[in-house]
Amino acid sequence: DGGITQSPKYLFRKEGQNVTLSCEQNLNHDAMYWYRQDPGQGLRLIYYSQIVNDFQKGDIAEGYSVSREKKESFPLTVTSAQKNPTAFYLCASSPPGQGGSPLHFGNGTRLTVT
Amino acid sequence: GDSVTQMEGPVTLSEEAFLTINCTYTATGYPSLFWYVQYPGEGLQLLLKATKADDKGSNKGFEATYRKETTSFHLEKGSVQVSDSAVYFCALKLSGGGADGLTFGKGTHLIIQP
Repeated sequence: DGGITQSPKYLFRKEGQNVTLSCEQNLNHDAMYWYRQDPGQGLRLIYYSQIVNDFQKGDIAEGYSVSREKKESFPLTVTSAQKNPTAFYLCASSPPGQGGSPLHFGNGTRLTVT
Repeated sequence: GDSVTQMEGPVTLSEEAFLTINCTYTATGYPSLFWYVQYPGEGLQLLLKATKADDKGSNKGFEATYRKETTSFHLEKGSVQVSDSAVYFCALKLSGGGADGLTFGKGTHLIIQP
C-alpha cells in the first residue's frame, strides 16, 4: 500500500545536538510538507517543497533545515538553533495542482530534547 | 491572512449523542475545506472534504456542508460512539493550488463517554 513513512516514532536528544527526522513517501506525490504540532496550537507549517531540489520556508522555519534531493524523500533537520524543539512533527504530501487535493500524513515523530 | 476558527475543547458527550463541532474560516480566495481526525499518537487522517459552496462531504456517519454565506463548515454526526474519541481539525486550502499546504484550526478534542 502507498503511504508516508516517518521514522523513528520517538526520538530523544540532548540540547545542543542537531537531529534529522526522516520522511519517505511512495505515493508519487510532487509536494511534501513538514508541520509541527504543539498542544493547543494546532499544526504550524515549517517547510514545504513542490518539486525536487526546491523548497520554501513556512511560518516557523527558524532553527530548521530541509533537503529535497529525491521525490520520495524530504528529511527535516532540527538544529541547535531551534529554541523549543520538543514537539510532535508531522510530514505530509499531496499530488500537484488542484486545490481540492487533500494532504496525506505520516504517523509523526515525537521529538524530546532535554 | 487566511485562518480557521474551531470551537474550543474538550467536548465531552455521552455515547449516541448528537455531535456538532463548529468551524468558520476567513480566506482571500475560494477555498476547499477539509475535516481531519487524529487518534492518540497518530498522524492526521482525512475525514471528509468539500470543494465548492453547498457541497456536502460525508464519511463514517460524519457530515459537513460548505456554507459560503456564513463561511462555515460545521462537522456533525447523529450518534457518536466511544471510538469517535479523537482530535478533529478543520482546514482550508486555496483554490489556486494552495502551494503552501493547508491552513488548520487549532483542533477540537472530542471525548465520548460510554
